Amino acid sequence: AQSVSQHNHHVILSEAASLELGCNYSYGGTVNLFWYVQYPGQHLQLLLKYFSGDPLVKGIKGFEAEFIKSKFSFNLRKPSVQWSDTAEYFCAVKAVENAGNMLTFGGGTRLMVKP
Amino acid sequence: DGGITQSPKYLFRKEGQNVTLSCEQNLNHDAMYWYRQDPGQGLRLIYYSQIVNDFQKGDIAEGYSVSREKKESFPLTVTSAQKNPTAFYLCASTHRQGRNTGELFFGEGSRLTVL
Repeated sequence: AQSVSQHNHHVILSEAASLELGCNYSYGGTVNLFWYVQYPGQHLQLLLKYFSGDPLVKGIKGFEAEFIKSKFSFNLRKPSVQWSDTAEYFCAVKAVENAGNMLTFGGGTRLMVKP
Repeated sequence: DGGITQSPKYLFRKEGQNVTLSCEQNLNHDAMYWYRQDPGQGLRLIYYSQIVNDFQKGDIAEGYSVSREKKESFPLTVTSAQKNPTAFYLCASTHRQGRNTGELFFGEGSRLTVL
């Protein structure tokens, strides 16, 4: 079974700082990768996803993530964060062979952006 | 508007009581899922269903039960056998088939507190 690790549990940044949240997974086969975001009081929503092709994927609100297969990583980045990026971020992986479409989630990273 | 509706948003229960959480979707999705969210542990899969009248256990199914009598509905019962039921419960859905699928759509969640 696959597992997902998010090494940073809490991150505090000032506005305009750059962001990188780490995500590593353990699974030897082909995967689909996702980042979800949960803003305070709102439901989880998809930030970006990787299925195949260009390993650098761009999502909403200026976020991007890079899939590095050799490192089993899918780190999330944003060049300049805003106060409105304060949220909890979850990395998730799906084994492509998994017909049930079940996602395995990491433990989440709480990001606080100070104005 | 299409979406997933969970109810109730907040629920209190005494120890020893069963409680049922509702999840309804009008997205015409085949597959539905129940996740449990605990701080620092991310989302863990309780049960999932890919088709009406069929469902499978997830990683932490003990103490929970589900049914899938209609495509739109996937209620979760938290039984008295669940040792630590206080948590935030999330329902999700997606289209079933295809290798490059897996994007989940989430409801707003139900917060259960056992007194």
